[in-house]
Amino acid sequence: SYELTQPPSVSVSPGQTARITCSGDALPNQYASWYQQKPGQAPVLVIYKDTERPSGIPERFSGSSSGTTVTLTITGVPAEDEADYYCQSADSSGTYGVFGGGTRLTVL
Amino acid sequence: EVQLVQSGAEVKKPGESLKISCKGSGYNFARYWIGWVRQMPGKGLEWMGIVYPGDSDTRYSPSFQGQVTISADRSINTAYLQWSSLKASDTAIYYCARLQYTSATNYIDYWGQGTLVNVSS
Repeated sequence: SYELTQPPSVSVSPGQTARITCSGDALPNQYASWYQQKPGQAPVLVIYKDTERPSGIPERFSGSSSGTTVTLTITGVPAEDEADYYCQSADSSGTYGVFGGGTRLTVL
Repeated sequence: EVQLVQSGAEVKKPGESLKISCKGSGYNFARYWIGWVRQMPGKGLEWMGIVYPGDSDTRYSPSFQGQVTISADRSINTAYLQWSSLKASDTAIYYCARLQYTSATNYIDYWGQGTLVNVSS
């Protein structure tokens, strides 16, 4: 079945820029979205359609796409952004969704 | 305000059946796909399947086809996830979610609070 690949962990210092990648063969044909999940909470959408930011999500969150890879960038990371981040897209036919394995962002 | 309110935590034994629910409010429930997402303890998110309450069209992820049943009752704005025979490996938090869904994109814009299902002998 279709898979999305993320790095298990990314570490940054406060105020730095964090980049989290997500790779999948169908990404050139299917949009991706990104979710933030903090411990004990439901996920929250932070990016959709590769680059769009929902209302209420800080401008420091941005998304980009290039070929089979999409990237979530968090600029000037504060400690509060320490969380798990998941990319999500669909198989090439758009029939079913799939999540990446998740990336734990640590703000040292 | 869009809300998805899920039923409460469940403790069940292996082999038992279970149906959990997700009630939507604040929008036209029949016109948006509802999805179910599994999160096993300490693990990532897994897409299980989706249902369109307007006509009950249902689509399952290959990993969950035949393992669960997803349904919806538009008359009471409620979606369901059910098992006929639970296993210990079904222990997880289950989230329902509202989808923005087309052939070119699907993403979740609202999530329920999650239902913890604990299956243990």
